Amino acid sequence: DAGVIQSPRHEVTEMGQEVTLRCKPISGHDYLFWYRQTMMQGLELLVYFNNKAVMDDSGMPKDRFSAKMPNASFSTLKIQPSEPRDSAVYFCASSSGGGYTFGSGTRLTVV
Amino acid sequence: QKEVEQDPGPLSVPEGAIVSLNCTYSNSAFQYFMWYRQYSRKGPELLMYTYSSGNKEDGRFTAQVDKSSKYISLFIRDSQPSDSATYLCAMSTTDSWGKLQFGAGTQVVVTP
Repeated sequence: DAGVIQSPRHEVTEMGQEVTLRCKPISGHDYLFWYRQTMMQGLELLVYFNNKAVMDDSGMPKDRFSAKMPNASFSTLKIQPSEPRDSAVYFCASSSGGGYTFGSGTRLTVV
Repeated sequence: QKEVEQDPGPLSVPEGAIVSLNCTYSNSAFQYFMWYRQYSRKGPELLMYTYSSGNKEDGRFTAQVDKSSKYISLFIRDSQPSDSATYLCAMSTTDSWGKLQFGAGTQVVVTP
C-alpha cells in the first residue's frame, strides 16, 4: 500500500487566494482526519470523517475552511480566502479504528 | 492548562542508552494511548497503541500506562542515532475516539 497520499507537498499563495489540499486515504480505512501543525500550537484536529460523513468539525474555522469527502478514496480541505495565519503544515491521516496513519503533509505558506 | 502535558526537550542521550519519555494528562476518561515518532519534515508515524492500563512491548520500545497517576511513558532501549526524532504522545476517550489529543512532542537527540 502506498500509504496516505497528500498533494501538493508545498504550496505558496498570496493572501486572499483560494487553496485546496487533497488527500487519498489508505484503501479500507473508514476514518479520515485533517490536522494542522504549527510550532506554537502543535497538532490540532480540524475535522474528521467516518464513512464519508463529518463526525466533528469543531476545530475548523468554518468561515473560511471547508472539508469534503465525496467518496471513500478522496478528501479535500479548502481555504478561502487564505490568510497568513493559515501558514502551517496540514496533515491528512486515516484509520480503520486503531492507530492513525499520517500522510507526509502539505506545507502551506500564505504571503 | 492543556489536557496533555509533555516536556518539549530537547533530550540528548548517548548511543546505547535508554531513552525515557513521558506525558501527563488531566482527563480521567482517556482510554486510548498512542506514541508517534516524527522525523523532521515528515508525518507522524505510529509506534505504540495501547488501551487502558498496563505495559506493551514491541522490540526496543516499551509503553506503560498508569491511569491512577494519569501518566504514560515510552522507553527506548539500546538507542540509535536513527532514533533521533520528535516523539508525540496522544490519547482519546472511548466516546470521542476520533478526537485524539496530542502532546507538544519531545525532541530526542541520540549522539554517536
